[in-house]
Amino acid sequence: GAGVSQSPSNKVTEKGKDVELRCDPISGHTALYWYRQRLGQGLEFLIYFQGNSAPDKSGLPSDRFSAERTGESVSTLTIQRTQQEDSAVYLCASSLQGSTRNTIYFGEGSWLTVV
Amino acid sequence: KQEVTQIPAALSVPEGENLVLNCSFTDSAIYNLQWFRQDPGKGLTSLLLIQSSQREQTSGRLNASLDKSSGRSTLYIAASQPGDSATYLCAVNSGAGSYQLTFGKGTKLSVIP
Repeated sequence: GAGVSQSPSNKVTEKGKDVELRCDPISGHTALYWYRQRLGQGLEFLIYFQGNSAPDKSGLPSDRFSAERTGESVSTLTIQRTQQEDSAVYLCASSLQGSTRNTIYFGEGSWLTVV
Repeated sequence: KQEVTQIPAALSVPEGENLVLNCSFTDSAIYNLQWFRQDPGKGLTSLLLIQSSQREQTSGRLNASLDKSSGRSTLYIAASQPGDSATYLCAVNSGAGSYQLTFGKGTKLSVIP
């Protein structure tokens, strides 16, 4: 596709429910990243994929958070037993390679509200 | 732990003015620094990427400089336009096998017609 695509764009869920957020990176981009942005805060790194592997998942805040990537393409971020503090915008990004020299492209985000 | 600070948090200028946005980071051992633009309800758009070996990058009316030793970067916007109104984010990559970007909280720019 032309850019990074994320779905859903907005999600309201009840506390305790599980949610899945999807990311379609730019075609051919082998590196994929998930970030979180809470209201009034800076972006926080969650996880980095190179291909289908996640060499850096150090930013996942708890074991309720998990992510996978298949076909070196689509990625899914899953949050189990959601809590109110999980409310945030979840941003996916991709780059041509997992190199510090490559520009990173972001999607428009999935806005998650836990009530 | 790397920390990125952006000052001011908000800035309002009349159309046509030149302006400078500031970014500072605590650990000078960075691989690169990027400036992004974020519009309300939208994702981030990369504006300029400066590698650690570079001093500046230019794109149109935008010029970003990097002084790695002092832990500072500036984004200069010439002849500002109302369409430049957005939040500008600075992010650094500290490398060392990590691909994480550490972001500042941004400067919200309003250009008044």
